Amino acid sequence: QQQVKQSPQSLIVQKGGISIINCAYENTAFDYFPWYQQFPGKGPALLIAIRPDVSEKKEGRFTISFNKSAKQFSLHIMDSQPGDSATYFCAARRRNTPLVFGKGTRLSVIA
Amino acid sequence: NAGVTQTPKFQVLKTGQSMTLQCAQDMNHNSMYWYRQDPGMGLRLIYYSASEGTTDKGEVPNGYNVSRLNKREFSLRLESAAPSQTSVYFCASKYSNSNQPQHFGDGTRLSIL
Repeated sequence: QQQVKQSPQSLIVQKGGISIINCAYENTAFDYFPWYQQFPGKGPALLIAIRPDVSEKKEGRFTISFNKSAKQFSLHIMDSQPGDSATYFCAARRRNTPLVFGKGTRLSVIA
Repeated sequence: NAGVTQTPKFQVLKTGQSMTLQCAQDMNHNSMYWYRQDPGMGLRLIYYSASEGTTDKGEVPNGYNVSRLNKREFSLRLESAAPSQTSVYFCASKYSNSNQPQHFGDGTRLSIL
């Protein structure tokens, strides 16, 4: 049973556009929701994270929107750039347990 | 600081051979993890060590063993490699009991023929 469902699997966005990646979860005990960014040939790196007591967190061009009642959270990349082309993973964790990852979204930003 | 270092970076094995993947971190982290990444499957947890001296199974532990050698090092062993274990393997570490980020190595690309 997949605990974190991520969509879409792949995404193509024009330079300057908004990239949106969605995740849904079932376990209401999850209390930490990070997004990781992975470039080819590299390991994933933390991009931004949110806790369920807030509905939105923004860091530069990256924003997480969190809907606790719907058990969904999403990553928005504003003014998408070719350098944002990477694979993005959402994840979730309940206290003192390992992260559970979504299956990833491959983002391509084209000029 | 090197962060999380994985060796080797690439390896080709024949079915039935054994191999140990090495991982070391220099960030004084308590917890360490082994994941495998396959196309369309995301990152799946194989084993983890919440602290030195403990190890626990993750989502896909079959065919693997681990050793937490000390606080810095966490190795993953394939006793009898199978083609289904062809994958990219990532090691990660973090401080325990916190929402500090997991730091990943750059992976070991393993092919089993």
